[in-house]
Amino acid sequence: GAGVSQSPRYKVAKRGQDVALRCDPISGHVSLFWYQQALGQGPEFLTYFQNEAQLDKSGLPSDRFFAERPEGSVSTLKIQRTQQEDSAVYLCASSQLRELSSYEQYFGPGTRLTVT
Amino acid sequence: KQEVTQIPAALSVPEGENLVLNCSFTDSAIYNLQWFRQDPGKGLTSLLLIQSSQREQTSGRLNASLDKSSGRSTLYIAASQPGDSATYLCAVDFSNTGKLIFGQGTTLQVKP
Repeated sequence: GAGVSQSPRYKVAKRGQDVALRCDPISGHVSLFWYQQALGQGPEFLTYFQNEAQLDKSGLPSDRFFAERPEGSVSTLKIQRTQQEDSAVYLCASSQLRELSSYEQYFGPGTRLTVT
Repeated sequence: KQEVTQIPAALSVPEGENLVLNCSFTDSAIYNLQWFRQDPGKGLTSLLLIQSSQREQTSGRLNASLDKSSGRSTLYIAASQPGDSATYLCAVDFSNTGKLIFGQGTTLQVKP
């Protein structure tokens, strides 16, 4: 079946613009995660949803970052007033069941954001 | 602070060699550990998932081990091939929420 998809794949924004990044998880996956990956680094956790509930947003770097998953499927990560330090690849992952320790996370291809 | 460290940062080997990638973590109370592969410009592909109660997992030419007491995991790749060239990432779930803490990765180059 289809994997995790993300759009757009590439986004160039001028400093100060708002951007919205979309994630379509694998159908039926309860849990959804957002990560930020800077060049040459491992991904860093941003936030996590179980169905429509945002259970952990401790990794969001500032209040300019906002994520939602209103119907428990598609999620959007929004970044307001983008700054150059926001340039990174934003990865989305989904996982099957509530018993998260038992299941793998499946990652999308990412959205590469470049802020100029 | 819960951290994951991978060494070396980069590794180059001739085709056919067996190799070991290392991952260490600061807190032995983990729920699971996952090894991923990342090709340039791509997302992450899960290779192996080891539950905290397990000591190792195998898939084809890959074998991952887990030693919680010493805070270490290794990924063993047998008979390496040029197609194995990629960045390998180790990630740990410390909280049983699925939130993964990643190492910085080891970039592997297998030369024909």
